[in-house]
Amino acid sequence: EADIYQTPRYLVIGTGKKITLECSQTMGHDKMYWYQQDPGMELHLIHYSYGVNSTEKGDLSSESTVSRIRTEHFPLTLESARPSHTSQYLCASSEEGWSYGYTFGSGTRLTVV
Amino acid sequence: AQSVTQLDSQVPVFEEAPVELRCNYSSSVSVYLFWYVQYPNQGLQLLLKYLSGSTLVKGINGFEAEFNKSQTSFHLRKPSVHISDTAEYFCAVSEETGYSTLTFGKGTMLLVSP
Repeated sequence: EADIYQTPRYLVIGTGKKITLECSQTMGHDKMYWYQQDPGMELHLIHYSYGVNSTEKGDLSSESTVSRIRTEHFPLTLESARPSHTSQYLCASSEEGWSYGYTFGSGTRLTVV
Repeated sequence: AQSVTQLDSQVPVFEEAPVELRCNYSSSVSVYLFWYVQYPNQGLQLLLKYLSGSTLVKGINGFEAEFNKSQTSFHLRKPSVHISDTAEYFCAVSEETGYSTLTFGKGTMLLVSP
């Protein structure tokens, strides 16, 4: 079944640690996105990619980085986690063209202590 | 740049009652409009979308939305809600260009009680 997977679902980590949030999709979508979601706030786009070797920063300034070496894989890395990074991170993908909307993963809830 | 305003952060309603979740958008160009639903501890799921054509759009789970260009609105409606409709609903907009990304509203929590 075509889908988009995020791991881990929940992560509690200490300040200063390096972490990578994984996102993989089996649909062959070229476009992929990372959104940050906080309660009562808009989803904020932090990174996106139009295809392999393409990465762009989104609307919300973020200390994270992303890579797109393979079509199906779009990991997000925080080099040094801080309590301000505590949030839910949602990965999404879309086909070429806008008639399909986005397909979202289940999210990673990150807590930095 | 586009923006989305969801006018209600929370909408309480009784089961089997009708509901309307309001969404207004702002953009200097033509747009595509979407409604997504998020159940607890899950990602977002597409409910319906407006791309062009008929301004009344029907989606999954009995939801529908009407695009009103003059009022720049895209309100979501359901004639009779169920307990299982309790969730967060997000309105989103994208400009009609190949390189536009989705901009989301803050969400509306629909609380259905018996």
